[in-house]
Amino acid sequence: EMQLVESGGGLVKPGGSLRLSCAASGFTFANAWVRWVRQAPGKGLEWVGLIKSNVDGATTDYAAPVKDRFTISRDDSKNTLFLQMNNLKTEDTAVYYCATLFRSDPWGQGTLVIVSS
Amino acid sequence: QAVVTQEPSLTVSPGGTVTLTCGSSIGAVTSGHYPYWIQQKPGQAPRTLIYDINIRPSWTPARFSGSLLGGKAALTLSGAQPEDEADYYCFVLYSGGRPVFGGGTKLTVL
Repeated sequence: EMQLVESGGGLVKPGGSLRLSCAASGFTFANAWVRWVRQAPGKGLEWVGLIKSNVDGATTDYAAPVKDRFTISRDDSKNTLFLQMNNLKTEDTAVYYCATLFRSDPWGQGTLVIVSS
Repeated sequence: QAVVTQEPSLTVSPGGTVTLTCGSSIGAVTSGHYPYWIQQKPGQAPRTLIYDINIRPSWTPARFSGSLLGGKAALTLSGAQPEDEADYYCFVLYSGGRPVFGGGTKLTVL
């Protein structure tokens, strides 16, 4: 059964950094394009960024609000996706989900990031 | 950057039929945008309800159907049940695999 499990969320001060992880199982992670999506409290879903498979160059792409502050990477040997978040702002407060957004693939349960002084 | 629009809220009677739509600011939504519909209930993670316009995963009841309608993606619920009360999001894929999400529709079954 395909599964994605996020971790690494927590409370961080504005300007701080945090690294999220997403552990994948039950499918060939190395072949997958994987995305981070976030949801601020009481708000809708917002795409954060994506990383393509290594076969497709492991290219990354980011939404404008996080570009140059967030970095997505992957370790296919450990079936794990990462989201390095730097210079965090209060508006980055959200639940962060990893997802392939491919056909009926499931989403992770999310990890909560709170940016507050 | 495209803006994807959905009805903010809709109400349907139990057993009734309702259609949610998903439009794009930069033109018609087509099959090339692979429109998706996601259901999210309070306190739960999102779950794919429909993908590629009208394909239902095994867990999606047959009362949900997807289509293209008047340049928009559409989600029709026929025979609404109380458990269908949820937030529904659509997203479409643009070049490079970038998804753009709609703002979501809060569906009330009342």
